[in-house]
Amino acid sequence: GAVVSQHPSRVICKSGTSVKIECRSLDFQATTMFWYRQFPKQSLMLMATSNEGSKATYEQGVEKDKFLINHASLTLSTLTVTSAHPEDSSFYICSARDFQGAYGYTFGSGTRLTVV
Amino acid sequence: EDQVTQSPEALRLQEGESSSLNCSYTVSGLRGLFWYRQDPGKGPEFLFTLYSAGEEKEKERLKATLTKKESFLHITAPKPEDSATYLCAVQAGGANSKLTFGKGITLSVRP
Repeated sequence: GAVVSQHPSRVICKSGTSVKIECRSLDFQATTMFWYRQFPKQSLMLMATSNEGSKATYEQGVEKDKFLINHASLTLSTLTVTSAHPEDSSFYICSARDFQGAYGYTFGSGTRLTVV
Repeated sequence: EDQVTQSPEALRLQEGESSSLNCSYTVSGLRGLFWYRQDPGKGPEFLFTLYSAGEEKEKERLKATLTKKESFLHITAPKPEDSATYLCAVQAGGANSKLTFGKGITLSVRP
């Protein structure tokens, strides 16, 4: 089956620093990547959608200068949280989809970000 | 705007006690309805995709059904390892459009 590898699984960073989260599709070409944020006991909230080689489309209320998304290849997308603050602490999850949707929406295992 | 409502929010079952989880949806042009399982601290794990009313899919103790307004995830004779949060999501629009998720149902199965 389709596999999406997400790293790191946990990260602690100091307030004001930047953190990069990687999401890789291991056995298919991810033409579209979705990045979600999940608060405790809440559902997934879509932050942005990116198509390979194009700029990401951000959901309303998501700061694009704070959450930088790069999707430069068909197997790798990154989310960089810039100038992190404690309120950015959350669980971040990526999801990848191939052009024809043959592999559905495959999710990574998530990254727990704690900003201290 | 697409909307997905799941009920109940939480469900506690005794091992072997069958039950159903509900997912009601409002969407313009349903392309697919998805069920996922999510364990604490993990990403969602795919269970089923349903595409049209009347469709049913089964996997082990789980069976998903779909009508024009809602979907049910039936759990037959659950085991403690079925304890998890079950998420329902709908896809509308283009082939690679986003999923809209419900808030999830937390299932606890007591031995």
